Amino acid sequence: DQQVKQNSPSLSVQEGRISILNCDYTNSMFDYFLWYKKYPAEGPTFLISISSIKDKNEDGRFTVFLNKSAKHLSLHIVPSQPGDSAVYFCAAREYDYKLSFGAGTTVTVRA
Amino acid sequence: DGGITQSPKYLFRKEGQNVTLSCEQNLNHDAMYWYRQDPGQGLRLIYYSQIVNDFQKGDIAEGYSVSREKKESFPLTVTSAQKNPTAFYLCASSRQGRDYGYTFGSGTRLTVV
Repeated sequence: DQQVKQNSPSLSVQEGRISILNCDYTNSMFDYFLWYKKYPAEGPTFLISISSIKDKNEDGRFTVFLNKSAKHLSLHIVPSQPGDSAVYFCAAREYDYKLSFGAGTTVTVRA
Repeated sequence: DGGITQSPKYLFRKEGQNVTLSCEQNLNHDAMYWYRQDPGQGLRLIYYSQIVNDFQKGDIAEGYSVSREKKESFPLTVTSAQKNPTAFYLCASSRQGRDYGYTFGSGTRLTVV
């Protein structure tokens, strides 16, 4: 049973516009959330994270929003750039440090 | 530079053979993990270890085995009992503590021929 869900397998956005990636979770014990970016045939790299005590965290072009009551988080990328084309994984952590990952969203930034 | 190294990058195995994937880190991280990536299924946890000489099964441990004899090393053996071993395998490590994410290796693509 997948506890972290990314329901949009793909997203296409024009360069310079906003990319919004969504993630839902079912386990109310998750208290730390992360986004990873992955290029083909490479390992994922950490992008941004948020603790459950916050509702927003910003780092440059990337902002993560957390809505605990809805068990939903989103990643905003503004403005989108061609180098942002990759697979983005949402992940959530419980007490024992291991992460549960979503299935990923493939982002394509069009010139 | 500190990091996590997986080898080999590509591996071919005949059906019925066991194969071992290497994972080494010099980040002084206590915890290490093995994930498997299949198309459309994200990353699924195979095994993890939070301390030397101890490890736990993840969600899909059947057909796999691991060891953690040294802090730096966490090799994964894909046995002949694994019914569908062709996949992209990712090793990761992390510090203890909830506010730390993983550092991933670059992965090993295993193909059964």
